[in-house]
Amino acid sequence: SQQGEEDPQALSIQEGENATMNCSYKTSINNLQWYRQNSGRGLVHLILIRSNEREKHSGRLRVTLDTSKKSSSLLITASRAADTASYFCATVLTDSWGKLQFGAGTQVVVTP
Amino acid sequence: EPEVTQTPSHQVTQMGQEVILRCVPISNHLYFYWYRQILGQKVEFLVSFYNNEISEKSEIFDDQFSVERPDGSNFTLKIRSTKLEDSAMYFCASRGLSYEQYFGPGTRLTVT
Repeated sequence: SQQGEEDPQALSIQEGENATMNCSYKTSINNLQWYRQNSGRGLVHLILIRSNEREKHSGRLRVTLDTSKKSSSLLITASRAADTASYFCATVLTDSWGKLQFGAGTQVVVTP
Repeated sequence: EPEVTQTPSHQVTQMGQEVILRCVPISNHLYFYWYRQILGQKVEFLVSFYNNEISEKSEIFDDQFSVERPDGSNFTLKIRSTKLEDSAMYFCASRGLSYEQYFGPGTRLTVT
């Protein structure tokens, strides 16, 4: 079944540094989304990129999508301690009712 | 800002008992979802609901599970006879015409 898989599994950086995480998937998608989850809490939508888009920005977030490689990356620039969370990519297949198929996530720890 | 709410935040039940998890989606949303996350694992899709019927469901969503939107605002997930392996965080989500989903804070279900 279609799944996003992130790497790395964990990332530890210092405040001010950039954090990059990658996601790969297997079949054709309508769009790919990134979500953030603080420990034990709900998921928060960060950004959506459609299959016909290559790059998207939102504040300190930059997402790229390469459909030929079936991969996406999320870059968080100038990270802050408050960015400490798990980050998940989720794909929405073409011809679906919008269900999200999540990867295992990347745990990001930003130390002051 | 509108948000998805879920009750209870934590439910403890004995194996074989029925549980009902409740969600109030964002009021003008059209598509509703349940996901679950077993501790330490990825978020898994259970079911999607549109126009008062199930539009898609996963293999996890067997005859022990059911969903209902009884009154146009609440969206419930019922597990008829809980098993130990049903212990997880259950998340409700909703969306409008855009594919981005808004998640509730989750209900932690513990089956003993």
